[in-house]
Amino acid sequence: EPEVTQTPSHQVTQMGQEVILRCVPISNHLYFYWYRQILGQKVEFLVSFYNNEISEKSEIFDDQFSVERPDGSNFTLKIRSTKLEDSAMYFCASLRPGTSGGMSETQYFGPGTRLLVL
Amino acid sequence: DAKTTQPNSMESNEEEPVHLPCNHSTISGTDYIHWYRQLPSQGPEYVIHGLTSNVNNRMASLAIAEDRKSSTLILHRATLRDAAVYYCILRRVRGQNFVFGPGTRLSVLP
Repeated sequence: EPEVTQTPSHQVTQMGQEVILRCVPISNHLYFYWYRQILGQKVEFLVSFYNNEISEKSEIFDDQFSVERPDGSNFTLKIRSTKLEDSAMYFCASLRPGTSGGMSETQYFGPGTRLLVL
Repeated sequence: DAKTTQPNSMESNEEEPVHLPCNHSTISGTDYIHWYRQLPSQGPEYVIHGLTSNVNNRMASLAIAEDRKSSTLILHRATLRDAAVYYCILRRVRGQNFVFGPGTRLSVLP
C-alpha cells in the first residue's frame, strides 16, 4: 500500500539555524498538511496546502515557517530560525480525492521527523 | 470545529472486546466522525469514519448513536498491538485539517 514518507527521521540543530523537513506524499493525493506534536502533548495542526498554495494555517505557523512543493513530488516545511520550543515531532499528511470527484476525508500520515533544537 | 470528549484512559485484556466512547453533543449535520489512533512513536493512523450509519472495516466497527451526539469505536478482539492513543475527531465534509484532542490512551493487558 502506498504511504507517506518523511526525511530525515531525526534532526538535531542549533537554535537559530534553518531546517528543512521533507515529505513525499502519496502520488495521487492533492491536499497536503503539516502537523506537529511536542513531547507528551497532542497533535497540532500547522498548515494545509492545495493547488500550490496555503489553504489554511494555524496561529503556530508564523513568519518563521514556510511550505513548498518544489517539484511536484516533495512537500517541504522550512523553519527559518529555529527556537528551543520548535523541538517536536513533525508529521506530514496527505489526502486523496474522493472517487466521485469530491474530497475524501481520510488523511494519511507519515512516520514523522523528530526535531531537537539545542 | 465541534468538540469531542473522550475518557483519558482505558484498559482492556487481550482478546477481549473494547468499546471506546466519544461524546460530541454539538455535532452538526455535515460533520463526519473520524477515528484515528497513534501507536507509540508513530504518526496517527486512520481507523474508521462514518456519518450516520454504523460502519465496519477490517480494523474496527463504529457505532453511531441515533441522535449522533455520541459514538463508540469497537475493537472486537484487542491485541497488544492495539495499545495506542485513540482520537475521535469531527470534520466537515469540505473541512481541511483535523483538530486532535488528547484522545483515549488504551492499555491492553496480556
